[in-house]
Amino acid sequence: QVQLVESGGGVVQPGGSLRLACAASGFTFSGYGMHWVRQAPGKGLDWVAFIRYDESDKYYAESMKGRFTISRDNSKNTLYLQMSSLRAEDTAVYYCVRDEYYGSGSAYFAYWGQGTLVTVSS
Amino acid sequence: EIVMTQSPATLSVSPGERATLSCRASQSVSSNLAWYQQKPGQAPRLLIYGVFTRATGIPARFSGSGSGTEFTLTISSLQSEDFAVYYCQQYNNWPRTFGQGTKVEIK
Repeated sequence: QVQLVESGGGVVQPGGSLRLACAASGFTFSGYGMHWVRQAPGKGLDWVAFIRYDESDKYYAESMKGRFTISRDNSKNTLYLQMSSLRAEDTAVYYCVRDEYYGSGSAYFAYWGQGTLVTVSS
Repeated sequence: EIVMTQSPATLSVSPGERATLSCRASQSVSSNLAWYQQKPGQAPRLLIYGVFTRATGIPARFSGSGSGTEFTLTISSLQSEDFAVYYCQQYNNWPRTFGQGTKVEIK
């Protein structure tokens, strides 16, 4: 079955950097677009970024442009999120999400990992 | 960006009763509308996509309706496991956007 396991969360100081990873299994990772979605403590869901199956397109939420970079390694079945210039408001659980669409399109969020907590604090 | 607005913020319902949740988009999202359920301490789970299609394993008491900018999620007879937060989401435009959520609590 589809499994998405995030790692790399932790405590980081304001202005610092962190790289999250998501190990995927149970499906053909190289065929699907992937997203990151975050959720601040006690708040709602906030879409972060998307990458197409072949890295041909990337999209970001406005507040993360220039600070966050989504990437993937299809040979390792792994999705990444490089975060820099972190702020207190970036504190959240970050979820790795598989898109439903196989190929170059994008649709709804079919499968979610359990998330990894990032805390930005001095 | 398309703003998704859910109402009410909290819905108090007795087990066995019907719950009706609303979601409004600031512009048309066609049929590209999904609903997710989230329980405390868990990741969200896909419930419905394409406005009305239930995801695999979702019971028939969950139904979706609407079009364009106005959408509804109905839970016909609430079970104890249905008390959770529900989010609508549009996947018609970038950036993808969620509503702020409706918490369904026990009355």
